[in-house]
Amino acid sequence: DQQVKQNSPSLSVQEGRISILNCDYTNSMFDYFLWYKKYPAEGPTFLISISSIKDKNEDGRFTVFLNKSAKHLSLHIVPSQPGDSAVYFCAALSANFGNEKLTFGTGTRLTIIP
Amino acid sequence: NAGVTQTPKFQVLKTGQSMTLQCAQDMNHNSMYWYRQDPGMGLRLIYYSASEGTTDKGEVPNGYNVSRLNKREFSLRLESAAPSQTSVYFCASSARAGNQPQHFGDGTRLSIL
Repeated sequence: DQQVKQNSPSLSVQEGRISILNCDYTNSMFDYFLWYKKYPAEGPTFLISISSIKDKNEDGRFTVFLNKSAKHLSLHIVPSQPGDSAVYFCAALSANFGNEKLTFGTGTRLTIIP
Repeated sequence: NAGVTQTPKFQVLKTGQSMTLQCAQDMNHNSMYWYRQDPGMGLRLIYYSASEGTTDKGEVPNGYNVSRLNKREFSLRLESAAPSQTSVYFCASSARAGNQPQHFGDGTRLSIL
């Protein structure tokens, strides 16, 4: 039972354009969401997070949007740069319900085309 | 500026052999975690330690044991390795359990023949 789903295994975007990565979840108890970026042969690196009390969080070129009614979140990268080429993981947890364990999606491989 | 350090980086074992994967963090974090990553399955939590002296099972604990040796170190042991345990193993730490970002090591690639 995949509680966090990233339905697009891969995405290609032209340099300078917007990259939009999507994530859906099924567990209504999730109240905190994170995005991680992973390069080959390295560990995941934290990018940005959002609490369920918000619907948007922005950090430089990265913005995460949360739609609780649709159980959907997305990561927007504007403008996309070659260094953004990596695998992106969405993750979720239920901080307020005592579930301290992160549940990860399966990842989306983003390729930025120069 | 080491962060989370995992050793070894690569290992090949034969079925039935035992092995301990080591993890150390220098960020004074309270919580530490072990994950495995398999193709097409994302990262799955094996065990975690919310604070020194405590350990709890994650999603896929069978076949593994852990030791939180002190605040810095959290080891993962395979007592009798099986081919199904071939995977990339990641250790992570966070300031505390819950809504705190986790910082990951670079992984241990383990093959069981």
